[in-house]
Amino acid sequence: DAKTTQPPSMDCAEGRAANLPCNHSTISGNEYVYWYRQIHSQGPQYIIHGLKNNETNEMASLIITEDRKSSTLILPHATLRDTAVYYCIVRAHTGTASKLTFGTGTRLQVTL
Amino acid sequence: KAGVTQTPRYLIKTRGQQVTLSCSPISGHRSVSWYQQTPGQGLQFLFEYFSETQRNKGNFPGRFSGRQFSNSRSEMNVSTLELGDSALYLCASSLASSGGAYEQYFGPGTRLTVT
Repeated sequence: DAKTTQPPSMDCAEGRAANLPCNHSTISGNEYVYWYRQIHSQGPQYIIHGLKNNETNEMASLIITEDRKSSTLILPHATLRDTAVYYCIVRAHTGTASKLTFGTGTRLQVTL
Repeated sequence: KAGVTQTPRYLIKTRGQQVTLSCSPISGHRSVSWYQQTPGQGLQFLFEYFSETQRNKGNFPGRFSGRQFSNSRSEMNVSTLELGDSALYLCASSLASSGGAYEQYFGPGTRLTVT
């Protein structure tokens, strides 16, 4: 799986959009970009994933650049409950592999 | 639909002992993966079971083992516990079968402390 690079920490004011960047310059054509988050001492929570088109669900939007070397997770209206560590993961949908390779992630702090 | 459940939630063991952790996946999910999370190493993949067979394994010593039952419930075992095995052990389930897009859903974890 390709390696990802994320800033170690970010701050965001409550109610504002949180834009979390991820660099994955060595991504292969068959690799997807996944985002998970982990709120303190809980299990990671799936947020969204995509291949090359932008994706949106009830939690967030995922913007992937045209060359697929980077992406941005957008939380449109951050709340205090969005304070967590956010992990960007790149992986292929192979037949048998389910392994997620977590990096160090971005610690997002949402403040009043 | 009930989420992934893990038991026990907290466990304290002494060095040299062994421990068994249990995971019940989301109903209908046939794949169960295990991860270890420590402050120093972060989240690391242990192994994955699908249809009672281990089909993917991380880089952990043989003291770490697991199994999956016909109802997809899974257990992991750690023998001869060391202080460094103190960690949060997470279980994740998914619909994964023969490829395609799938997400992993994590349980709350078992916090193991080795003294």
